[in-house]
Amino acid sequence: NAGVTQTPKFQVLKTGQSMTLQCAQDMNHNSMYWYRQDPGMGLRLIYYSASEGTTDKGEVPNGYNVSRLNKREFSLRLESAAPSQTSVYFCASSEYLSGDYGYTFGSGTRLTVV
Amino acid sequence: AQSVTQPDIHITVSEGASLELRCNYSYGATPYLFWYVQSPGQGLQLLLKYFSGDTLVQGIKGFEAEFKRSQSSFNLRKPSVHWSDAAEYFCAVGAGNNNDMRFGAGTRLTVKP
Repeated sequence: NAGVTQTPKFQVLKTGQSMTLQCAQDMNHNSMYWYRQDPGMGLRLIYYSASEGTTDKGEVPNGYNVSRLNKREFSLRLESAAPSQTSVYFCASSEYLSGDYGYTFGSGTRLTVV
Repeated sequence: AQSVTQPDIHITVSEGASLELRCNYSYGATPYLFWYVQSPGQGLQLLLKYFSGDTLVQGIKGFEAEFKRSQSSFNLRKPSVHWSDAAEYFCAVGAGNNNDMRFGAGTRLTVKP
């Protein structure tokens, strides 16, 4: 089925460890996004990629890096995990150039940093 | 930058009753407005969206929303709630380039039998 696939679904890290969250979409969308969701705060944009080859910071980029590997894939890396990065991470994609504007979200990665 | 306020953190309604979830936005230009629903352990699903034209928009699952520019509001409504509507609902506002969509903190809906 067409959509956004995120891996892994769950992860526990120790403080200081690194990891990469993977995201892939098969809808041929140009734009991709990484959000984090925390209780009472909704979703906050970490980084986005308007098109292949470009990335930009969102509201809360500190402690994260991203790579737009190709049109399909957009990864999020935590170089040195901290407990404050315990959250649920969502990847999304959209194709605003077509006038659709709505985002398609993955099912999320629940990350715990201990 | 644009912002969204959802004044109600948690709402409980009886099955079959009507529902209205409030959303207020702040944005200097014409907003792009969205409502998403999130079931437990799932990602967000788009319910409906407004860009221009008719201020009353219809969405999936029997939901509708009305854009009121004078009140900077985009409230979500449903005439008769079903138990399966229990979920968290997020209002979002985007700029024209769609690259910086801001979400509200969400409203959790509980449906009583």
